[in-house]
Amino acid sequence: DGGITQSPKYLFRKEGQNVTLSCEQNLNHDAMYWYRQDPGQGLRLIYYSQIVNDFQKGDIAEGYSVSREKKESFPLTVTSAQKNPTAFYLCASHPQGGGNQPQHFGDGTRLSIL
Amino acid sequence: KNEVEQSPQNLTAQEGEFITINCSYSVGISALHWLQQHPGGGIVSLFMLSSGKKKHGRLIATINIQEKHSSLHITASHPRDSAVYICAVRSYSGGGADGLTFGKGTHLIIQP
Repeated sequence: DGGITQSPKYLFRKEGQNVTLSCEQNLNHDAMYWYRQDPGQGLRLIYYSQIVNDFQKGDIAEGYSVSREKKESFPLTVTSAQKNPTAFYLCASHPQGGGNQPQHFGDGTRLSIL
Repeated sequence: KNEVEQSPQNLTAQEGEFITINCSYSVGISALHWLQQHPGGGIVSLFMLSSGKKKHGRLIATINIQEKHSSLHITASHPRDSAVYICAVRSYSGGGADGLTFGKGTHLIIQP
C-alpha cells in the first residue's frame, strides 16, 4: 500500500547537535511538507517542496533545513540553531496540481532534548 | 491569514452518544478539511468539504460557507473514536504552498 514513512518514531538530541528526520513516500506525489506540532497549538508549516531540487520556507523555518534530491524523499534537519526543538514533527505529501485533494500524513517523529 | 477556532477543546462522552465538534474560520476558503489524529500521532484525512454535507459511516461533516462554520458529527460514538479531531482550511490567499491553516484540535474521549 502507498503511504508516507517517517523515521525514527522517537528521537533524542543533545544540546548543540544536529539531527535529521526521515520522510519517504511512495505515492508519487510531487509536493511534500514538514509541520511542527506543539501541545495546544495547531500544526505549523516549517518547509515545503513542490518539485525535486526546489523547496521554500514555511512559517517557522528558522533553525531547520531540508533537501529534496529525490521525489520520494524530503528529509528535515533540525540544527543547533533551533533553540526549542522539542516537538512532534509531521511529514505530509500532496499530488501537485491536486487542487483540493486531501494531504497524506506520516505517523510523525517525536523529538526530545536530552 | 485565516483564523481557525475549534470547540470544544476537550470533550468526554459516554459510548453511544451523538458527538458534535465545531469549527469556525475568519475569511473565505476554497476547502475545509477534517482530520483525525490518533494517540500515536499519525493523522488521517476524514473529509474535505467545499459545500454542503458529506457522510462516511458514522461520521457526518457539514459546512455553511455563508456563516464560515463547519461541524463534524459522530453518531453512536464508540471508544475507538477517541482521538484528536483537527479542522484545517485552505484559504484563497493562504500562506505556504498548501495554504492550509490548522485549528488547535478537539480532544475527544469516549468512555465505555
